[in-house]
Amino acid sequence: ILNVEQSPQSLHVQEGDSTNFTCSFPSSNFYALHWYRWETAKSPEALFVMTLNGDEKKKGRISATLNTKEGYSYLYIKGSQPEDSATYLCAPEDSNYQLIWGAGTKLIIKP
Amino acid sequence: SQTIHQWPATLVQPVGSPLSLECTVEGTSNPNLYWYRQAAGRGLQLLFYSVGIGQISSEVPQNLSASRPQDRQFILSSKKLLLSDSGFYLCAWSLGLAGQETQYFGPGTRLLVL
Repeated sequence: ILNVEQSPQSLHVQEGDSTNFTCSFPSSNFYALHWYRWETAKSPEALFVMTLNGDEKKKGRISATLNTKEGYSYLYIKGSQPEDSATYLCAPEDSNYQLIWGAGTKLIIKP
Repeated sequence: SQTIHQWPATLVQPVGSPLSLECTVEGTSNPNLYWYRQAAGRGLQLLFYSVGIGQISSEVPQNLSASRPQDRQFILSSKKLLLSDSGFYLCAWSLGLAGQETQYFGPGTRLLVL
């Protein structure tokens, strides 16, 4: 896996609104897809790991879907709150168990 | 519970000076250990990983080296720093290389080379 793209690069969302962003990756040599959240002044923390096409994971107001055939994953946040402000990183994992990290989507929630 | 420590938190070093960043993990045995760098505006770049004492794999050719003298200690070093070595360095650990393993990150070291 060589090219991981996350879009948009940054995103301003009004508190209470829902939002989503994308992680795109080459579908060949795919093994799993990881999502991490990186809050300012903290360390990245794991959100989800998904492997199967059509997988959907949910944690509270945050959910993610996976399409391995076309090579993308969406992360959704419902009813954004200020504590959701963070950079969201995706990292596809290849068959050698190596993670390739995207540059992230920086989410800023406006109160 | 497991914890991961990194130090120092911030470091300002002149070009050509040596570097030593240390990472230690508590509460687990035989972890896989990783050194990442995030340059400004870019994603995490894997620099080194280790599956055991003395076993180091380098992902990119560079001015840096890594060592694992003990099971839960991972050290990132350089003999002579370059300006391009500036960035945010993260150490991480995971349980194994069996796939789908979550990586747990330390607090990071911000390095500025002047």
